[in-house]
Amino acid sequence: DAGVIQSPRHEVTEMGQEVTLRCKPISGHDYLFWYRQTMMRGLELLIYFNNNVPIDDSGMPEDRFSAKMPNASFSTLKIQPSEPRDSAVYFCASRGRGYTDTQYFGPGTRLTVL
Amino acid sequence: AQSVTQLGSHVSVSEGALVLLRCNYSSSVPPYLFWYVQYPNQGLQLLLKYTTGATLVKGINGFEAEFKKSETSFHLTKPSAHMSDAAEYFCAVSDLLTGANSKLTFGKGITLSVRP
Repeated sequence: DAGVIQSPRHEVTEMGQEVTLRCKPISGHDYLFWYRQTMMRGLELLIYFNNNVPIDDSGMPEDRFSAKMPNASFSTLKIQPSEPRDSAVYFCASRGRGYTDTQYFGPGTRLTVL
Repeated sequence: AQSVTQLGSHVSVSEGALVLLRCNYSSSVPPYLFWYVQYPNQGLQLLLKYTTGATLVKGINGFEAEFKKSETSFHLTKPSAHMSDAAEYFCAVSDLLTGANSKLTFGKGITLSVRP
């Protein structure tokens, strides 16, 4: 299996622009997670889905952030408008249906907002 | 609510020395515990996990961890450090209460440096 795939790997944009991050989970996994990692706050869970349905979005920082999972093989995290404080590494992870199953992480997208 | 405490942000050891990375958790129900490793510019990779059964868990790359309920700890050890072990290590906790919809709560991570 190719693992969790994220694109782009690096994104540089200017403040105010819309940013879309993409994730393809491992085939057959029922759960998909979006995390943000910064030096100051560490690794934060933003939102997660089960069978394409958002279960918990309490970590989404504000209305500028939105996430969708239109099907089992694709998810997006959108920031509109972007701000410099959104600069971080964003990880996508997926997991099987068992709650002891391992979460597998993608390589991350490094976002820089100028 | 669950939480994980990883004391200190940086540990430095000599090559061949014992590695000990500490993790304490807080959970009102029996926890599931995980250690992940992150190499530079990469995603997190599972080292090992404790769910039920034997409290001493062996993982990849010679690492192991012991679940101690009385101490609410899950410290990670490796008898002999290798240069390739230099990375950031995260402890995480999940729980039985929310079942399949449980999510991981991560600690802040510890950076391990290995001196030649």
